[in-house]
Amino acid sequence: EAAVTQSPRNKVTVTGGNVTLSCRQTNSHNYMYWYRQDTGHGLRLIHYSYGAGNLQIGDVPDGYKATRTTQEDFFLLLELASPSQTSLYFCASRGHPNTEVFFGKGTRLTVV
Amino acid sequence: GDSVTQTEGLVTVTEGLPVMLNCTYQTAYSDVAFFWYVQYLNEAPKLLLRSSTDNKRTEHQGFHATLHKSSSSFHLQKSSVQLSDSALYYCALAYTGGLSGKLTFGEGTQVTVIS
Repeated sequence: EAAVTQSPRNKVTVTGGNVTLSCRQTNSHNYMYWYRQDTGHGLRLIHYSYGAGNLQIGDVPDGYKATRTTQEDFFLLLELASPSQTSLYFCASRGHPNTEVFFGKGTRLTVV
Repeated sequence: GDSVTQTEGLVTVTEGLPVMLNCTYQTAYSDVAFFWYVQYLNEAPKLLLRSSTDNKRTEHQGFHATLHKSSSSFHLQKSSVQLSDSALYYCALAYTGGLSGKLTFGEGTQVTVIS
C-alpha cells in the first residue's frame, strides 16, 4: 500500500511561533494535499500540488504557506501560528485525479 | 467553486437496520469523480468506494452508492449495518480534467451503530 509519512506526529507551539509540518510520499505520486480536520467542518483543503515546484491554493489558505520541494516532499508552514490553527493536519497523495488518495497518519498541532 | 454537502452530522442506527448517508454536490465541471471515505477512530481516512459514471451502482464492503448527475447526488447506503461500521464517513468530489487535481470533501457524517 502507498506510504505517506508525516512528521512530527504531535506539536505544541506558542502563539506567534513558526511551525513546519513535513510530508513525504514514496509512491511516485504527482498530487499531494494538505488538509485540516476539525469537528463540524470535516476535511478542509489548505494547499495542494501536482508536482515539484507547483502550488495550488485550497479553500482555507489564510495563515498557511506550502512548498513542494521534490516529487516526494510537501511542507506546510505556519509563520505566525494562532490558536485558531490548532487542529489535526493530514497530508495525502495520489497519482491521478481519478484515483484513490492515500493519507498520512496526521499531525496534531496545538497552538497555546 | 466546487462544494460537497453532507446534511447529517450525526447518525445513530441500530445494528441490522439499513442506513443511508446523504451527499449532494455543486460543480461547474463535467469531468469529475466521486468518492466515499471512511475514517475509524484514531485512524486516517481510507477509500470506501468511488464512481465517475452516471447512474451506475458501485459496491464495496456491503456499502453501495449510485451517482445521479440529474440530482447532483451520491448517497451512500447499506442494507444491514454492523457495530464495526461505526465511523466518520466523508463524501468527496475530484476535478479530473486538466492538471489541477483539486479534491473537495464534505463535512462528514459520524455514524454510531448501537446494539
